[in-house]
Amino acid sequence: EAGVVQSPRYKIIEKKQPVAFWCNPISGHNTLYWYLQNLGQGPELLIRYENEEAVDDSQLPKDRFSAERLKGVDSTLKIQPAELGDSAVYLCASSLNPGSGGELFFGEGSRLTVL
Amino acid sequence: AQTVTQSQPEMSVQEAETVTLSCTYDTSESDYYLFWYKQPPSRQMILVIRQEAYKQQNATENRFSVNFQKAAKSFSLKISDSQLGDAAMYFCAYRSSNSNYQLIWGAGTKLIIKP
Repeated sequence: EAGVVQSPRYKIIEKKQPVAFWCNPISGHNTLYWYLQNLGQGPELLIRYENEEAVDDSQLPKDRFSAERLKGVDSTLKIQPAELGDSAVYLCASSLNPGSGGELFFGEGSRLTVL
Repeated sequence: AQTVTQSQPEMSVQEAETVTLSCTYDTSESDYYLFWYKQPPSRQMILVIRQEAYKQQNATENRFSVNFQKAAKSFSLKISDSQLGDAAMYFCAYRSSNSNYQLIWGAGTKLIIKP
């Protein structure tokens, strides 16, 4: 069974440029998460989807970040314009049923460097 | 609000020895889940072990076991017979059983295995 797939693995852009990250969750997983992870720190939730609905986006900086999960399968996270402080690893994860304490399955992440 | 604290930024252990990673949490809830996740240098986070708060018995997965002290709100991870492949960041996480299902992460402990 394929795991959570993210792309690109690495992205280097100049500040003020746009960038997009893509995530394909494990088949059948209705819950999808986007996390931001700074070096040496734990993940910070940006947004959580239940199917195609964003049920928790309180930590998403909506002035420059946007996300979508059309058809409740794969998802895209966009930053426009990027700032120096956005340099981090963006992790995508999926799970079956969070209500039962379901395990999160993570992708390998997308490392963003903003110059 | 719930919090998760990992007081050891870094731990080291000799190969084949046993090491214990600490985690404490704060919550007013009685029903919840606790997790230990491992993140090797390749960055893909994987679940090590999970504990349901209503279960008194400590969870065990091969060389990994937990010491769950609900009254003390402590959830430590013991790794027996440490192997080089155990070197990674270890994150403790808490998940509520209410409708929020938000996962609260600790800051992580870097585990170094000395050959």
